[in-house]
Amino acid sequence: DGGITQSPKYLFRKEGQNVTLSCEQNLNHDAMYWYRQDPGQGLRLIYYSQIVNDFQKGDIAEGYSVSREKKESFPLTVTSAQKNPTAFYLCASSIFPKDQPQHFGDGTRLSIL
Amino acid sequence: AQSVTQPDIHITVSEGASLELRCNYSYGATPYLFWYVQSPGQGLQLLLKYFSGDTLVQGIKGFEAEFKRSQSSFNLRKPSVHWSDAAEYFCAVGGGSQAGTALIFGKGTTLSVSS
Repeated sequence: DGGITQSPKYLFRKEGQNVTLSCEQNLNHDAMYWYRQDPGQGLRLIYYSQIVNDFQKGDIAEGYSVSREKKESFPLTVTSAQKNPTAFYLCASSIFPKDQPQHFGDGTRLSIL
Repeated sequence: AQSVTQPDIHITVSEGASLELRCNYSYGATPYLFWYVQSPGQGLQLLLKYFSGDTLVQGIKGFEAEFKRSQSSFNLRKPSVHWSDAAEYFCAVGGGSQAGTALIFGKGTTLSVSS
């Protein structure tokens, strides 16, 4: 079955450490997204990518970085510059153009040690 | 600016009773509207979507939603709630040019179902 795979499901970060969250999709979707979810805050867009080797900042990109070297992969790095990284991170993908709904992975929960 | 408001943070409904979750949006053109459901610790599942045409859309799990342009609303309804419907529900709007195909989400409504 086609879908989006996020790994790991749980991740712990030490102070000053960078960590990378994996997102892989086999839906052949062009666009991929990263959202951060905090209780009572809904989903906030971190980064998105419409095509390979191109990505754009979302509303809360500071302290995060991404790459899009392959169509099926869109990893997110939470850097040490992100001072409050504890959250639930969701990856999504969609067919381009813009009228298609987004499909979501099952998320990664990041916590601080 | 585009935005989505879900006025109710938490709703409790008796099993078998009807349900309506409210969603209001602010958008400069014809929006694309979505409702998603999220169980604890899981990703989001699409319930239904509105792009154009008939303003009453049917979705999965017996849900429906009605687009009312004059009220800038897209409320989600279900005639009879089951205990398994307890979850968090998100309304989202898309179709803008500011962020490609990225969606703007409301803050969610948590649904509890009492027996």
